[in-house]
Amino acid sequence: EIVLTQSPGTLSLSPGERATLSCRASQSVSSSYLAWYQQKPGQAPRLLIYGASSRATGIPDRFSGSGSGTDFTLTISRLEPEDFAVYYCQQYGPFGGGTKVEIK
Amino acid sequence: QVQLQESGPGLVKPSETLSLTCTVSGGSISSYYWSWIRQPAGKGLEWIGRIYTSGSTNYNPSLKSRVTMSVDTSKNQFSLKLSSVTAADTAVYYCARAYDSRGWVDYWGQGTLVTVSS
Repeated sequence: EIVLTQSPGTLSLSPGERATLSCRASQSVSSSYLAWYQQKPGQAPRLLIYGASSRATGIPDRFSGSGSGTDFTLTISRLEPEDFAVYYCQQYGPFGGGTKVEIK
Repeated sequence: QVQLQESGPGLVKPSETLSLTCTVSGGSISSYYWSWIRQPAGKGLEWIGRIYTSGSTNYNPSLKSRVTMSVDTSKNQFSLKLSSVTAADTAVYYCARAYDSRGWVDYWGQGTLVTVSS
């Protein structure tokens, strides 16, 4: 069973800054199966990125995904106030533990 | 616009079976993968498993012995049964649609809280 490890656990940044979130798989995975989600308190998660680098419908272009093999990255180029949330990666089924992006 | 709605008891006694149903509206249930995902309060997401409209299933190995999923295409519904529940199964349960076999989820239900308590 593949385990996804996300780091850091918490990222403290200011609006306008760049956020870089990591998702590491315990073994090499197909990038086509890798997705990223955003979850805000009291809400269901929202699909941001699928296939490691394709943005889902309606997702702003400040969100980008990259990576292959065991290492994947979600980048938010300039944080907007609405981007402060928890982010999860997923590979086929299992999810990573999440990264909380909080306001510094 | 596809919408998903979970339904079922909000309180289940320890050792009993948790049963939830997800009703899909705004689109056909056919030819997609339908998932259950849960989230204990203050914790991360846990994938429970998925079912294709043919009835084929994939379950989380850690829950496999207790999970049963089914689909009723005539009602546009799919269901989850989790047996022998304990307090550790208390969580918000989400039903969701996986766009294809690669597993990423494009539509989610709002989630329903299930508490396991006597």
